[in-house]
Amino acid sequence: GAGVSQSPSNKVTEKGKDVELRCDPISGHTALYWYRQSLGQGLEFLIYFQGNSAPDKSGLPSDRFSAERTGGSVSTLTIQRTQQEDSAVYLCASSLALGTRDEKLFFGSGTQLSVL
Amino acid sequence: DAKTTQPNSMESNEEEPVHLPCNHSTISGTDYIHWYRQLPSQGPEYVIHGLTSNVNNRMASLAIAEDRKSSTLILHRATLRDAAVYYCILKRGSTLGRLYFGRGTQLTVWP
Repeated sequence: GAGVSQSPSNKVTEKGKDVELRCDPISGHTALYWYRQSLGQGLEFLIYFQGNSAPDKSGLPSDRFSAERTGGSVSTLTIQRTQQEDSAVYLCASSLALGTRDEKLFFGSGTQLSVL
Repeated sequence: DAKTTQPNSMESNEEEPVHLPCNHSTISGTDYIHWYRQLPSQGPEYVIHGLTSNVNNRMASLAIAEDRKSSTLILHRATLRDAAVYYCILKRGSTLGRLYFGRGTQLTVWP
């Protein structure tokens, strides 16, 4: 596709439910990143993938958060037993390759998650 | 995380130049300086990046101090569409994949 696609664009859920957020990176981009942005805050790094592997999971806020990537393409971020503090915009980005300091990230428009 | 310091907000009039400063006193010799901006209700978009020399592209110019401890993003003629949060980021080799965005500078452009 032309850009990074995220779905759904908005998700409202009840506290305690599980949610899955999807990211379709730009075709050919091997690196994929997840960030989240709480209201009025900067971006918080969650996790990145190089191909299907995630070398650095230390940004995930708790063990309720997990992410996977299959076929070197689509990625899913799963939040189990959602809490109100999980409410935020979840942003996905991709880049051609990881490992160069001049690589550019291309972001999607994000998924607005609201936990009631 | 490699930290940068930016003013919380700046204002400009339309069609005037804008100089957005960034301090990065702990920059190392191999860190790249990246700038992204985030328009309302959108994900960040890449603006420009550089290492030592000044850089120009169709969106902006990046002026890097000789000691590399600061840089300035220059929008030559601000438009209403340039109203956004601008983030200055150090791309560090030891933390590839993890960018520290900070709070950025909110740029307001007046017609």
